Amino acid sequence: GQNIDQPTEMTATEGAIVQINCTYQTSGFNGLFWYQQHAGEAPTFLSYNVLDGLEEKGRFSSFLSRSKGYSYLLLKELQMKDSASYLCAVKGAGTALIFGKGTTLSVSS
Amino acid sequence: DTEVTQTPKHLVMGMTNKKSLKCEQHMGHRAMYWYKQKAKKPPELMFVYSYEKLSINESVPSRFSPECPNSSLLNLHLHALQPEDSALYLCASSQEGRVGFFGSGTRLTVV
Repeated sequence: GQNIDQPTEMTATEGAIVQINCTYQTSGFNGLFWYQQHAGEAPTFLSYNVLDGLEEKGRFSSFLSRSKGYSYLLLKELQMKDSASYLCAVKGAGTALIFGKGTTLSVSS
Repeated sequence: DTEVTQTPKHLVMGMTNKKSLKCEQHMGHRAMYWYKQKAKKPPELMFVYSYEKLSINESVPSRFSPECPNSSLLNLHLHALQPEDSALYLCASSQEGRVGFFGSGTRLTVV
């Protein structure tokens, strides 16, 4: 079967660092995506990993270990506007993305 | 241009109405998708078009009818919807497993 797990909720304070984990079991693997989604809005692309290792893009970094079926999204220097849902999605053997249930991050001052 | 454009942004329709959602991208992506998203849930895949051919239909009721007139356009025709079909409908596109972009979505309310 196909399964993607991520924590339901996380909280953090402004200026801190937070790591959102994602584990997956899918039929085939053709890349892992992280999206940010604010309430009532469409998901916004954050990162894409297809090879093992760390991809850094400004305050956001994403890590992938294919052998462990594991990824994380690292957010540094948290800001209030980072409060959102973070979706982990995997492109398996097929064409479409399989989404995790999302992690709601709340950033407080 | 890294945009997927969806229209309309909001739609209210009655259960006997016929309406269409439209999606457009000019990134040369050959895969386009329709997703349905209910509040506080992840997007659920409805349809996938690959090279303008329907490649995946996730057992979606026939009151939803997709159409891909060309490589840049994707439509979703709606007919005789139910109130439980009210949701955010998202269009996305991707190319060969690379970046997947979403449109801003159509917020559909069925009354």
